[in-house]
Amino acid sequence: EPEVTQTPSHQVTQMGQEVILRCVPISNHLYFYWYRQILGQKVEFLVSFYNNEISEKSEIFDDQFSVERPDGSNFTLKIRSTKLEDSAMYFCASSLEGGRRETQYFGPGTRLLVL
Amino acid sequence: GNSVTQMEGPVTLSEEAFLTINCTYTATGYPSLFWYVQYPGEGLQLLLKATKADDKGSNKGFEATYRKETTSFHLEKGSVQVSDSAVYFCALYGDGGYNKLIFGAGTRLAVHP
Repeated sequence: EPEVTQTPSHQVTQMGQEVILRCVPISNHLYFYWYRQILGQKVEFLVSFYNNEISEKSEIFDDQFSVERPDGSNFTLKIRSTKLEDSAMYFCASSLEGGRRETQYFGPGTRLLVL
Repeated sequence: GNSVTQMEGPVTLSEEAFLTINCTYTATGYPSLFWYVQYPGEGLQLLLKATKADDKGSNKGFEATYRKETTSFHLEKGSVQVSDSAVYFCALYGDGGYNKLIFGAGTRLAVHP
């Protein structure tokens, strides 16, 4: 069964450093998403991406964040200058379409720790 | 705006007990409703969904019925197993565009032999 994959599974970085989290969505999916889950808290939406542009973003997704689909398979989340509060589990998701009945399929997550 | 409220956990049950995890929502229109499960150390997996009122989603012995009159989508299972121990998230799509999932806080379930 096709699945969303994410690399790395864990990342430790120093505050102020740039990190890139990588995701390979399900191959025929057209909509891509990033969510994050701070330890013990809710899963929060960050951004959705379709047709090579951001379709929606949350207040959390400020200028420090960017997303890109550099080729036909990868979808990346970049944090330019990490802060301590960026420590969280980051989930990538994809869906075939963007309609209200569509299921989003999640990857296993990347646990980011900012020191 | 749209929101989801779940019962607080942890929920602790013995094996073969009946499970109910309450979920209520606030939404405009007719949102699709989802239950996701997160097993220890893993990501989010879709457990079941319902896309219109009175629909029943079911999977792996779990069921939830979309009740528009009570704005609820409670998760039930007749006989839980130790392997069901996980965190369960109720979710719906947010306002405006359909792209943003809004999650509840999650309910941790611990099942003991």
